[in-house]
Amino acid sequence: GAGVSQSPSNKVTEKGKDVELRCDPISGHTALYWYRQSLGQGLEFLIYFQGNSAPDKSGLPSDRFSAERTGGSVSTLTIQRTQQEDSAVYLCASSLGLAGGSTDTQYFGPGTRLTVL
Amino acid sequence: AQTVTQSQPEMSVQEAETVTLSCTYDTSENNYYLFWYKQPPSRQMILVIRQEAYKQQNATENRFSVNFQKAAKSFSLKISDSQLGDTAMYFCAFMKHVREAAGNKLTFGGGTRVLVKP
Repeated sequence: GAGVSQSPSNKVTEKGKDVELRCDPISGHTALYWYRQSLGQGLEFLIYFQGNSAPDKSGLPSDRFSAERTGGSVSTLTIQRTQQEDSAVYLCASSLGLAGGSTDTQYFGPGTRLTVL
Repeated sequence: AQTVTQSQPEMSVQEAETVTLSCTYDTSENNYYLFWYKQPPSRQMILVIRQEAYKQQNATENRFSVNFQKAAKSFSLKISDSQLGDTAMYFCAFMKHVREAAGNKLTFGGGTRVLVKP
């Protein structure tokens, strides 16, 4: 497909369970981002991958959150021992990873709505 | 750290009329980029318009235009000839320029809900 895709679209889980959210970036995009959108906190940056560089994990809210990007393409965001406050829409974005002054526009996927009961 | 403020939680406009959404930001950076994203009920964030801080000329994209005031750190969005399909949440976002590396995180405002009435 032409755009960023995410799966599942919706996920309902019980408190304490682990969940995995998947993101397929636009082909050829070297940069990938995860954001969280919740009622109380708005849109927050979580983590950023750029090529083979070490990821910027500065936005991850706790050590229950982790993410990986395999082969420089698909990314998985994992939340362990989910809590009710983890309920949110998790958005993935990708960009070309342009350097040297170019605007590096991020294109977003449709998000995964996570509900923790 | 950067902050982005959208002071209007909700706005309504009649179809074919014009609406202006405000956005202010706080940064010590000199080189950066500003964006407006639209999020309809489908949840898909769609880029509306972008502005490079080093450009004095205001960006325009069809019915969408911005008023970028760098000294005032203001970046408002004007939607002209509003259409029913413009009904959505609108987010203002900031990204600082990084010379050596590519890409950077977006800092978002709280959003403005726009309702276009027939």
